[in-house]
Amino acid sequence: EPEVTQTPSHQVTQMGQEVILRCVPISNHLYFYWYRQILGQKVEFLVSFYNNEISEKSEIFDDQFSVERPDGSNFTLKIRSTKLEDSAMYFCASLWSGDTQYFGPGTRLTVL
Amino acid sequence: QKEVEQDPGPLSVPEGAIVSLNCTYSNSAFQYFMWYRQYSRKGPELLMYTYSSGNKEDGRFTAQVDKSSKYISLFIRDSQPSDSATYLCAMIMNTGNQFYFGTGTSLTVIP
Repeated sequence: EPEVTQTPSHQVTQMGQEVILRCVPISNHLYFYWYRQILGQKVEFLVSFYNNEISEKSEIFDDQFSVERPDGSNFTLKIRSTKLEDSAMYFCASLWSGDTQYFGPGTRLTVL
Repeated sequence: QKEVEQDPGPLSVPEGAIVSLNCTYSNSAFQYFMWYRQYSRKGPELLMYTYSSGNKEDGRFTAQVDKSSKYISLFIRDSQPSDSATYLCAMIMNTGNQFYFGTGTSLTVIP
């Protein structure tokens, strides 16, 4: 069964450093998403991406964040200058059509 | 007011019990409703989705949507220890839009 994959599974970084989280969505999917989940809190939407551009983004997704689909398979989230409060699980999701988003296993980001 | 409200629990039931999980929401524009299961340190896994009001059954799981009350439910029959997880409700307005999640309800099924 096709699945969304994410790398790395755990990323530790120093405050102020840049991080890139990588996702490989399901191959024929058209919509791509990033969500985050701070420990013990709800899953929060960050950004959606369709047709090679951002289609929707939340207040969390400020100028420190960017997304890219550099080739036909990868979908990346970059955090330019990490802050302590960026520590969370980051989930990538993808959707072909309809209403069922498939989530990856997540990357745990720890900012020290 | 939060878009989606969900009792975080924790909820603890004996094996074989019927479990009822619920969410309420405030925005009447939501049209599609989902239930996800999330095991510790894993990504959410889709269980059920429904469009508009009504019931949908899949094995031991039944999802109900009451749009007039802005209330959705997930019932688990004959609960098993393997059902122990956090259950997240989610909803969207239209295809491709962002999902709005509840906080999740932590369920433990005791053997």
